[in-house]
Amino acid sequence: KAGVTQTPRYLIKTRGQQVTLSCSPISGHRSVSWYQQTPGQGLQFLFEYFSETQRNKGNFPGRFSGRQFSNSRSEMNVSTLELGDSALYLCASSKDSYGYTFGSGTRLTVV
Amino acid sequence: AQTVTQSQPEMSVQEAETVTLSCTYDTSESNYYLFWYKQPPSRQMILVIRQEAYKQQNATENRFSVNFQKAAKSFSLKISDSQLGDTAMYFCASFLRDYKLSFGAGTTVTVRA
Repeated sequence: KAGVTQTPRYLIKTRGQQVTLSCSPISGHRSVSWYQQTPGQGLQFLFEYFSETQRNKGNFPGRFSGRQFSNSRSEMNVSTLELGDSALYLCASSKDSYGYTFGSGTRLTVV
Repeated sequence: AQTVTQSQPEMSVQEAETVTLSCTYDTSESNYYLFWYKQPPSRQMILVIRQEAYKQQNATENRFSVNFQKAAKSFSLKISDSQLGDTAMYFCASFLRDYKLSFGAGTTVTVRA
């Protein structure tokens, strides 16, 4: 059974640009969550989607947005990139919201 | 807000020995889930063990077991017969009804040969 797939694995962007990250959940999983991991702040919750509806959002500026499609695939977008947005972005999916499986993450570097 | 605290930044253990990682959490809810995740250098987060708060019995998965003390809001992880492949960062996390995992700062575990 395929796991959670995140693309791309690595990304380098320039300040001011925008970026879109993609996440394909495990088949049958309808809940998808996003987390940002940095050495200074640790793992922080970005948002969670279930059946195309955002059920919760973390404490991040409006530059961070996401969406979920009817096939449960999800994307997150960061506009007007800042140096501080450099991080590992992790996506996780769940069938019942009580056991999340994570992808390998997208390493974003903003220069 | 949910707070999860891991007070041990680093732990080192000899191969085949046992190590215990500490975790405390803070919630006023009665029903919740607790997890331990492992993140090796490959950076993939792997679920190690899960505990449902309404279950008094401590969860066990092979060499991994937890000591869940609900009243004390404590959830420690014991790794028995440590193996080199256990070297990783370990995160304690809680899950309430708000659909998000709240993570601790993590404990780096190094297994020495």
